[in-house]
Amino acid sequence: AQSVTQLGSHVSVSEGALVLLRCNYSSSVPPYLFWYVQYPNQGLQLLLKYTTGATLVKGINGFEAEFKKSETSFHLTKPSAHMSDAAEYFCAVSGQGYQKVTFGTGTKLQVIP
Amino acid sequence: DTAVSQTPKYLVTQMGNDKSIKCEQNLGHDTMYWYKQDSKKFLKIMFSYNNKELIINETVPNRFSPKSPDKAHLNLHINSLELGDSAVYFCASSELGNEQYFGPGTRLTVT
Repeated sequence: AQSVTQLGSHVSVSEGALVLLRCNYSSSVPPYLFWYVQYPNQGLQLLLKYTTGATLVKGINGFEAEFKKSETSFHLTKPSAHMSDAAEYFCAVSGQGYQKVTFGTGTKLQVIP
Repeated sequence: DTAVSQTPKYLVTQMGNDKSIKCEQNLGHDTMYWYKQDSKKFLKIMFSYNNKELIINETVPNRFSPKSPDKAHLNLHINSLELGDSAVYFCASSELGNEQYFGPGTRLTVT
């Protein structure tokens, strides 16, 4: 069994400020973890993923996430927000081998000029 | 070239009608999915096919029937449409266990 909790359905940051989107997961097997971004009226696009190895994962558009097993967390960060980062962000978990991917409920990021 | 494509992009229809949504991927992936995204952006898996074999079938009304004629295609047929079926439907594909690539979505509106 697996689940994902995204804390905060809406997050607002000022342009240039740190972006922090929180994700906690639950998984009965070693997890694969993903962050996806969805821009308005578009499909989801992969930002980054963790499978095995290095726990700090870098993705596209300057985003990164750190897998912390002890905290069962996979928070998404970006040092400096840009207006173009405004979108919906989804954290997701699956298991090694094949298990279905379970998505969190999403966090809408608003960037204030 | 579009990696995962869906047709149509918009679908407006009346209650009781039957409609289909088509999905094609040109990534050579072996697994395809259908998701439903409601008005609150909640994303729910409906079905998944691996090499044309159904491997995930969530609690979805029997009115929804997926069909995979080959690895590159996964269609969704919906019978007797209801108001609650209004949503955005996303197709996705992946290599089994890896990240998924999503189509642009089909916005279904049932009136």
